[in-house]
Amino acid sequence: DAGVTQSPTHLIKTRGQQVTLRCSPKSGHDTVSWYQQALGQGPQFIFQYYEEEERQRGNFPDRFSGHQFPNYSSELNVNALLLGDSALYLCASSDSGGATYNEQFFGPGTRLTVL
Amino acid sequence: AQSVTQPDIHITVSEGASLELRCNYSYGATPYLFWYVQSPGQGLQLLLKYFSGDTLVQGIKGFEAEFKRSQSSFNLRKPSVHWSDAAEYFCAVGSGGYQKVTFGTGTKLQVIP
Repeated sequence: DAGVTQSPTHLIKTRGQQVTLRCSPKSGHDTVSWYQQALGQGPQFIFQYYEEEERQRGNFPDRFSGHQFPNYSSELNVNALLLGDSALYLCASSDSGGATYNEQFFGPGTRLTVL
Repeated sequence: AQSVTQPDIHITVSEGASLELRCNYSYGATPYLFWYVQSPGQGLQLLLKYFSGDTLVQGIKGFEAEFKRSQSSFNLRKPSVHWSDAAEYFCAVGSGGYQKVTFGTGTKLQVIP
């Protein structure tokens, strides 16, 4: 089992550009959450996808959007990049589709640098 | 709204010494509580979790944590630290349902010989 995988590992963009980050969940998992971890900070919840729908969202602007595919993989899109979007973006997957709480498994992250 | 406070940004301990990392949370109902560890360039690994029941929970790598409702705390402990424990540790609280997790700002652990 490959666990949660993310691509790319690193990415450099300039202000105003758009970026897409990808995540493949752990085998058997159907729920994907995205987190932003700025340097020296804890991860902050961006949103969560289940059954191809955004189920819950944190305090992030609409520039942050996502998608989940039928195979449960997910994308995070960020438009009109700002310098402050530079961070490690973490994807987490879990196998709970209901209200019970199951462990989230995290990927290694994508390091985004905005110049 | 739920929140987590980790008052210690950086802690240095000697190898073999005991360790306690502090965590205080704010949440209206019974929380789901977690400790994660992150090594440089790595994702987050779950050390242990508390959902209900016994307030002393055992985790991986010899770590344990105690839930104290009266103090809104969930401190992480290890009786004897190894050099490989050097990493950043995050306490987190989860809301019921839908698994939204709020993390603290982390405590960076340095282990000296």
